[in-house]
Amino acid sequence: AQSVSQHNHHVILSEAASLELGCNYSYGGTVNLFWYVQYPGQHLQLLLKYFSGDPLVKGIKGFEAEFIKSKFSFNLRKPSVQWSDTAEYFCAVESGNTPLVFGKGTRLSVIA
Amino acid sequence: DGGITQSPKYLFRKEGQNVTLSCEQNLNHDAMYWYRQDPGQGLRLIYYSQIVNDFQKGDIAEGYSVSREKKESFPLTVTSAQKNPTAFYLCASSLGLAGAYEQYFGPGTRLTVT
Repeated sequence: AQSVSQHNHHVILSEAASLELGCNYSYGGTVNLFWYVQYPGQHLQLLLKYFSGDPLVKGIKGFEAEFIKSKFSFNLRKPSVQWSDTAEYFCAVESGNTPLVFGKGTRLSVIA
Repeated sequence: DGGITQSPKYLFRKEGQNVTLSCEQNLNHDAMYWYRQDPGQGLRLIYYSQIVNDFQKGDIAEGYSVSREKKESFPLTVTSAQKNPTAFYLCASSLGLAGAYEQYFGPGTRLTVT
């Protein structure tokens, strides 16, 4: 069965620092990849997704993620974080005709 | 205003009682899902439904039941058989199960069982 690993449970960054959150999955076939974000007190929402084409995907609010098939990875990046990026971030993988599998999440705290 | 509504936002029950959580969507989505979110555990799938009158167990279905009698509604019952029911429950929907469709999430219901 598919599994998703997010390496960092809690990341603390200062404003303007660069961000990279790791995500690895286990199944090696065709996959669709997602990052969702949960801002404090708000609904979970889609940040970006990859399903084909350019492995570098751009999402909302300046986020991007790179799909590296050989490494089974889909890391999330942002060059310069803001206080408003404080949230919990979830990586999710879809493979075959099965529901999304979510990672355990990474909590990002951005301090001024 | 299209979206997913879950009610109530907070729910308190005594141990041994069944409780039903409501989920309604007006997005005309075929697929609907129930997740449980616990700190440090991410989202774990309880049940999902691809179409009306059909649903499948997810990874942690024991102690839960669902129905899908209408396209827009997917209620979840937490039964007394669920060993640790206190949690945050999220409902979601999407156009389809597979095909890189975005899932849209509701605001969640926080259930506390004492």
